[in-house]
Amino acid sequence: DAGVIQSPRHEVTEMGQEVTLRCKPISGHNSLFWYRQTMMRGLELLIYFNNNVPIDDSGMPEDRFSAKMPNASFSTLKIQPSEPRDSAVYFCASSFRQGLAYTFGSGTRLTVV
Amino acid sequence: GIQVEQSPPDLILQEGANSTLRCNFSDSVNNLQWFHQNPWGQLINLFYIPSGTKQNGRLSATTVATERYSLLYISSSQTTDSGVYFCAVERAAGNKLTFGGGTRVLVKP
Repeated sequence: DAGVIQSPRHEVTEMGQEVTLRCKPISGHNSLFWYRQTMMRGLELLIYFNNNVPIDDSGMPEDRFSAKMPNASFSTLKIQPSEPRDSAVYFCASSFRQGLAYTFGSGTRLTVV
Repeated sequence: GIQVEQSPPDLILQEGANSTLRCNFSDSVNNLQWFHQNPWGQLINLFYIPSGTKQNGRLSATTVATERYSLLYISSSQTTDSGVYFCAVERAAGNKLTFGGGTRVLVKP
């Protein structure tokens, strides 16, 4: 298996622009997680899905953030409009089901200028 | 929410040395994982270990769930072991995996 695939690896955008991050989980994994990593706050869970259904989005910082999982093999995290404080590394992870081992993607390093 | 504390925060090792990293957590858990974040930022799952002991090469981990701690052992450290080691726990199924602050390890040749 190719593992969890995220794109793009790096994204530089101007403040106010829309940003879309993409994730392809491991085939057969039923749980998908979006995390954000910053120096100040470490790794924070933003939202997770079980069987394509959003279960807990309490970590999503503001209404500017939204996430979708239209099918079992694809998820997006969208920021609109983006702000400099959104600069971080965004990780996607998947697991066979919640409560089991997680596999992380390589992350997307987002810089908003 | 659950608190996860890792110690020490920083560790410098000479190549070949052994070390122990500790993770304390504030509540009962049914999921505990150790991750290594390498210098390129990639997060690698080392162990899924809600209880008991596991070994993988030079690494081993022990979780004593009743006493709310887990230990990660690195033996015969190599420069490739450098990076940040994270412990992450989940209190119950349907809850979220919460990460500790990490232990930053530097192995010198």
